Amino acid sequence: QKEVEQDPGPLSVPEGAIVSLNCTYSNSAFQYFMWYRQYSRKGPELLMYTYSSGNKEDGRFTAQVDKSSKYISLFIRDSQPSDSATYLCAMSFIQGGSEKLVFGKGTKLTVNP
Amino acid sequence: EAGVTQFPSHSVIEKGQTVTLRCDPISGHDNLYWYRRVMGKEIKFLLHFVKESKQDESGMPNNRFLAERTGGTYSTLKVQPAELEDSGVYFCASSSIFSGGLPRETQYFGPGTRLLVL
Repeated sequence: QKEVEQDPGPLSVPEGAIVSLNCTYSNSAFQYFMWYRQYSRKGPELLMYTYSSGNKEDGRFTAQVDKSSKYISLFIRDSQPSDSATYLCAMSFIQGGSEKLVFGKGTKLTVNP
Repeated sequence: EAGVTQFPSHSVIEKGQTVTLRCDPISGHDNLYWYRRVMGKEIKFLLHFVKESKQDESGMPNNRFLAERTGGTYSTLKVQPAELEDSGVYFCASSSIFSGGLPRETQYFGPGTRLLVL
């Protein structure tokens, strides 16, 4: 069983739609839960991170973590064509001063004008 | 402030040849990480430097891969000899050193080096 599972999509939505992206994980030791956005030919860029169960909002983005179900989500409200990218969930824990990120495969999102 | 830079952006080599990838972290970042994404798979951790010391190299696939970070600044990742399965995108990331009490320090990623081994 993979440590982090993410549906790779692709996902295509009309402009203005609400987008829901999800990941599940199996390792209870994960402390930090992140969403990265990656545009084509670029490196991953951190969108949001959280370390507790519940919701965290940042503008049109909401990150949700449910540790009891080992499930995280990213919601994008009023999606824009500029949101078209691959979204990667990532998780980590810090051990001995080292943190390695464990990524999902990424979901490719296209927002159509 | 300049971000993480990687060189070259692309490399096409033949099986058996040697390739060296370079990463320049954000100035002042003591943590430097290498990750790799093989086609169709997720991004996977390779190793972690703190300054010039290897903190964790548990993700290095085999001894054909050699990473160095002399002087604690830029890092190189050498693949020798390259095999077909080494093809993929190699990412470097850097972060500040962990400070007690803070949740975590963000890892900032470079654009990656796309390696194709023929």
